[in-house]
Amino acid sequence: ETGVTQSPTHLIKTRGQQVTLRCSSQSGHNTVSWYQQALGQGPQFIFQYYREEENGRGNFPPRFSGLQFPNYSSELNVNALELDDSALYLCASSWGGPGTTSYEQYFGPGTRLTVT
Amino acid sequence: DQQVKQNSPSLSVQEGRISILNCDYTNSMFDYFLWYKKYPAEGPTFLISISSIKDKNEDGRFTVFLNKSAKHLSLHIVPSQPGDSAVYFCAAKSGGSYIPTFGRGTSLIVHP
Repeated sequence: ETGVTQSPTHLIKTRGQQVTLRCSSQSGHNTVSWYQQALGQGPQFIFQYYREEENGRGNFPPRFSGLQFPNYSSELNVNALELDDSALYLCASSWGGPGTTSYEQYFGPGTRLTVT
Repeated sequence: DQQVKQNSPSLSVQEGRISILNCDYTNSMFDYFLWYKKYPAEGPTFLISISSIKDKNEDGRFTVFLNKSAKHLSLHIVPSQPGDSAVYFCAAKSGGSYIPTFGRGTSLIVHP
């Protein structure tokens, strides 16, 4: 059974640029959630995708967008990068979606994004 | 406004002794609580959870206690081992939501 993987591991971008982060779900999981973890903070929910549709969103602006593909892998896109976007971005996969009670999420190792 | 608070950024414990990690919450709608453990360069891993209809849940060396009236929960690790050294996150969910709210984490160091 393959765990959750994320790429790249580290990334350095300049303010104003755009970035795409990638996540492969654990085998059998159909739901993907993305989190932002700033230094010294806990993970903050960005959004969740279930069966290729956005299924919930946290308090993040529209320049944070995502995609989920038929194989349940996912992308997080951030446009017009700001210095405050510097953080660890975590992807988590789980089985289930609306109406399920699946509480266990399996996290990837994260992508460390630095915006200069 | 932080709805889930872990007020101790760090905790140092001797191997073999008990580790107690604390978590407070403000949202009375939270009805399910989780603890995650995170090693450096890895994502958080689920450790143990508790529903608001219980006041205790035990899994091996790990026990979580919930005091609803005080809006407080704690994670007990007995006995503590050096491999338990990690950052521990408390998280909470409300109603039918499957989106957890995380605390800032407590870094536990267990000395041999």
